[in-house]
Amino acid sequence: GAVVSQHPSWVICKSGTSVKIECRSLDFQATTMFWYRQFPKQSLMLMATSNEGSKATYEQGVEKDKFLINHASLTLSTLTVTSAHPEDSSFYICSARTSGRTRQFFGPGTRLTVL
Amino acid sequence: AQKITQTQPGMFVQEKEAVTLDCTYDTSDQSYGLFWYKQPSSGEMIFLIYQGSYDEQNATEGRYSLNFQKARKSANLVISASQLGDSAMYFCAMRSPNTGNQFYFGTGTSLTVIP
Repeated sequence: GAVVSQHPSWVICKSGTSVKIECRSLDFQATTMFWYRQFPKQSLMLMATSNEGSKATYEQGVEKDKFLINHASLTLSTLTVTSAHPEDSSFYICSARTSGRTRQFFGPGTRLTVL
Repeated sequence: AQKITQTQPGMFVQEKEAVTLDCTYDTSDQSYGLFWYKQPSSGEMIFLIYQGSYDEQNATEGRYSLNFQKARKSANLVISASQLGDSAMYFCAMRSPNTGNQFYFGTGTSLTVIP
């Protein structure tokens, strides 16, 4: 199956700093990428949907100025958590799909801890 | 709005026995897809099985089968011959073209296989 990678797999940062998480589709062109957040022992919650070359669509309640999403190429999307705070500590997962295909492929996730 | 319900927060099964994980969904869409994912402690989302709303046959993938009852809006996952490696969180998810093909996840079921 298609492979999606995320980098870093885990990150620890100080409160107030910004953190960038990369999501890459390794062997297919990802026309659409999705970003999810998962708190411990909870389900995945969709944060935003991004299509290559256009602005991301954010879910209700997700601050677009805090969670900056860029999908500049067909193989890379980035999520930047700006001015991170301890409550942003979570597991962030991306998924990707290609045009004309309905199946999504998930990345391995990034565990963010904000001190 | 789409809604996925998993009523079993935790399940236990004896090794080599079969187990059924429940999932019900609510949608007014005619065309939709139902998915089951496994999430081990590493956090990776592993695709298990897919059922399309127009599929007349229940989906099967190795030891996994999906008991699809469309009229009851249920899509239960059956795992046969449980193995210790099956211990993980299991998420039911739904997607439809009318909602931009984004996933809606249930709250998950934690499965523990007992030796």
